[in-house]
Amino acid sequence: KNQVEQSPQSLIILEGKNCTLQCNYTVSPFSNLRWYKQDTGRGPVSLTIMTFSENTKSNGRYTATLDADTKQSSLHITASQLSDSASYICVVRGDSWGKLQFGAGTQVVVTP
Amino acid sequence: EAGVTQSPTHLIKTRGQQATLRCSPISGHTSVYWYQQALGLGLQFLLWYDEGEERNRGNFPPRFSGRQFPNYSSELNVNALELEDSALYLCASSFYVEPGELFFGEGSRLTVL
Repeated sequence: KNQVEQSPQSLIILEGKNCTLQCNYTVSPFSNLRWYKQDTGRGPVSLTIMTFSENTKSNGRYTATLDADTKQSSLHITASQLSDSASYICVVRGDSWGKLQFGAGTQVVVTP
Repeated sequence: EAGVTQSPTHLIKTRGQQATLRCSPISGHTSVYWYQQALGLGLQFLLWYDEGEERNRGNFPPRFSGRQFPNYSSELNVNALELEDSALYLCASSFYVEPGELFFGEGSRLTVL
């Protein structure tokens, strides 16, 4: 069973609207959680990193939250743009060096 | 500063052949990771190299192998190719001390016919 579950699997939103992606994990112990953005056919790029003591972190129009007690994270995209169309991947690091746990990703499509 | 570079960009092989993919990490990074991303699926961990040694391995058969050279570049070899090996192979690098952030290359698209 995957230790990192993301939802929804995909979503379509209108340009200018907001959306929220979810990531639930069972990885334990927990070190940090990262959200990556992967454009089609490209390598993923890190958006934010959340450690155990952090609840919220923003990167431009992207805001990530973390609830380490419930093992849940969310990524909120504000005022979406066409360039936000991508797959968003949640990656959790426990204490196993080199073996990060990847979610399957949420495919976001922003339409005009 | 150059990012992670991978070659070739695209590779077409037939069943039973061997494929070799190459990766050059960001200067100063000692760790190299390989991931497989089949179409429409998430990233699956293949291999992790650091300082020339294999540190960890994912749930893949032995025909997936690799190595890391003294300059920290890396090779991924896939022997006896099967149709299901068709995927985007992503290489990432990081500092060993703080491996939290992976810097990914653009990937090598392997197609097995």
